[in-house]
Amino acid sequence: SQKIEQNSEALNIQEGKTATLTCNYTNYSPAYLQWYRQDPGRGPVFLLLIRENEKEKRKERLKVTFDTTLKQSLFHITASQPADSATYLCALLSGGYQKVTFGTGTKLQVIP
Amino acid sequence: DTGVSQNPRHKITKRGQNVTFRCDPISEHNRLYWYRQTLGQGPEFLTYFQNEAQLEKSRLLSDRFSAERPKGSFSTLEIQRTEQGDSAMYLCASSLAAKDLWAKNIQYFGAGTRLSVL
Repeated sequence: SQKIEQNSEALNIQEGKTATLTCNYTNYSPAYLQWYRQDPGRGPVFLLLIRENEKEKRKERLKVTFDTTLKQSLFHITASQPADSATYLCALLSGGYQKVTFGTGTKLQVIP
Repeated sequence: DTGVSQNPRHKITKRGQNVTFRCDPISEHNRLYWYRQTLGQGPEFLTYFQNEAQLEKSRLLSDRFSAERPKGSFSTLEIQRTEQGDSAMYLCASSLAAKDLWAKNIQYFGAGTRLSVL
């Protein structure tokens, strides 16, 4: 069955460092991969989308990589700030279809 | 605020009662989705509408669950004969069907309705 794995343990990093979150998937051939941010008691907020034929995408302090051979995406936040503390969700989409399958999320805590 | 609106934010009910949640999507968005999220998990897809047509339902959506979007605008999700296992956050999202890849794949979520079944 399709499976999306994100590190279930919280990631604690020092302010100013780069946070790297991992998303691995199996039995899936996504056309697109997205990352969302979710704060407690709120719905997810879209951050970045990357297509299967793209290796890397950047937006301000955020960078996403997508390796379809390894079936893995890495999400980086550079110069992290306490305000970046949240749960980050990886999501996969198949081509031409709007159903989004989410991973379990990784909780990031940036320590001042 | 022109984002996705969900009501109520919290609902506490007794087992066996029926509950109904409402979602008002972003006004120009023609696609609407319902998800369920439990603690420590990502959102799980329940169902999807394009305009007023319900195009897919997850196997998670048992016969006790029904969703409608009668005029292609707001949507309701009803759970009949609630069970304790229905306790979760119910999230609604909307998106715009468009030729532009970027626009059509971004889903905008509401803050959710937290259901507690006692």
